[in-house]
Amino acid sequence: GPKVLQIPSHQIIDMGQMVTLNCDPVSNHLYFYWYKQILGQQMEFLVNFYNGKVMEKSKLFKDQFSVERPDGSYFTLKIQPTALEDSAVYFCASSADRGNTEVFFGKGTRLTVV
Amino acid sequence: TQTVSQSDAHVTVFEGDSVELRCNYSYGGSIYLSWYIQHHGRGLQFLLKYYSGNPVVQGVNGFEAEFSKSDSSFHLRKASVHWSDSAVYFCAVSASSGSWQLIFGSGTQLTVMP
Repeated sequence: GPKVLQIPSHQIIDMGQMVTLNCDPVSNHLYFYWYKQILGQQMEFLVNFYNGKVMEKSKLFKDQFSVERPDGSYFTLKIQPTALEDSAVYFCASSADRGNTEVFFGKGTRLTVV
Repeated sequence: TQTVSQSDAHVTVFEGDSVELRCNYSYGGSIYLSWYIQHHGRGLQFLLKYYSGNPVVQGVNGFEAEFSKSDSSFHLRKASVHWSDSAVYFCAVSASSGSWQLIFGSGTQLTVMP
């Protein structure tokens, strides 16, 4: 079936450094999302993105976070600078439409900030 | 404000048993309700979704869920579980208009004993 690919699967980074998480969404999907999951806790919405713009973001989407999808390539989440509390698994997702449609999730990138 | 409550953090059953995973929601408007499964170390996989019509929705791998407006519930059921059903199950709600983020419950860890 359709797959959302996330690269890398694990990333360890020093606090204060920049990190970019990459997501290859399902081809022909137009809506993109990032979710954050701290170990053992629920999935929490960060941001959604459509037509080159952030449509919604939660309070977890701090000023240090940014997303983009230049020229239809990877959908990226950049954190600059990183903080210890950014350690989590970040899931990318995509859907063909909003509303009554299936949202496809990637396997996640485990980010560890040390 | 939309909220999703999964009252059971852990459910343990034996292979061949039936199981019901509980989900209650709070939202005043028209919504989509869905269930996702997360196997250890993997991303979320879609199981089923409800918006309108028949309150009993069939999903993949023998799962079904029943919507109850009076109880504000969307419980997931399976008549006969297999060991491979062991995973964390997340209930989610999204609005049919306005915000289109998925709001997840805290998840229920289902363990199927052989």
